[in-house]
Amino acid sequence: DSGVTQTPKHLITATGQRVTLRCSPRSGDLSVYWYQQSLDQGLQFLIQYYNGEERAKGNILERFSAQQFPDLHSELNLSSLELGDSALYFCASSLRGGAGGWETQYFGPGTRLLVL
Amino acid sequence: AQTVTQSQPEMSVQEAETVTLSCTYDTSESDYYLFWYKQPPSRQMILVIRQEAYKQQNATENRFSVNFQKAAKSFSLKISDSQLGDAAMYFCAYRSDLSGNTPLVFGKGTRLSVIA
Repeated sequence: DSGVTQTPKHLITATGQRVTLRCSPRSGDLSVYWYQQSLDQGLQFLIQYYNGEERAKGNILERFSAQQFPDLHSELNLSSLELGDSALYFCASSLRGGAGGWETQYFGPGTRLLVL
Repeated sequence: AQTVTQSQPEMSVQEAETVTLSCTYDTSESDYYLFWYKQPPSRQMILVIRQEAYKQQNATENRFSVNFQKAAKSFSLKISDSQLGDAAMYFCAYRSDLSGNTPLVFGKGTRLSVIA
């Protein structure tokens, strides 16, 4: 158990719909990362938040957005869903996520999204 | 941009034997970190081992060790005394040591089977 929690574990929805994925980082971690794991694209970084502020952005679609709340939990919002958005979405956390790449990122169990 | 290549989509090993998973990466940076993550059927991403590029000594964690060849940009994972529980997808990952916030860049993964 990494200490990172994600809800829900599974999500089935239809094209065009909107969903929200939730992540609670490990106690004390300030930085949250979102990754998408799909069969064709592998594991790709989407976005990072640090202490409530967006810090880095990767291959995140405009239909996707995220935020980190004062209690440090984060939500990833996916809208106008398409079949290709079906994937496993991971949240990871680290203590600071700032300068240097030495910090280990601890991953949550993931949310499996299926768009029908 | 950095890229990580895992040239072996699948590998198999007999229980109690040793197996080596390959990883190469491309970067123009001199300071960075390399990781191996394990993803068992539960889909949880578990950190196996990490290596700092400035360290010449190869990292070791119990039965897991790496062969880090900086000049060749190679970072292989050796699993000794393989156990059934080692069966999983293994991902090699790179993280820059630049100041700021750099995400993990993953390879496509190697699926390891352990034969009893």
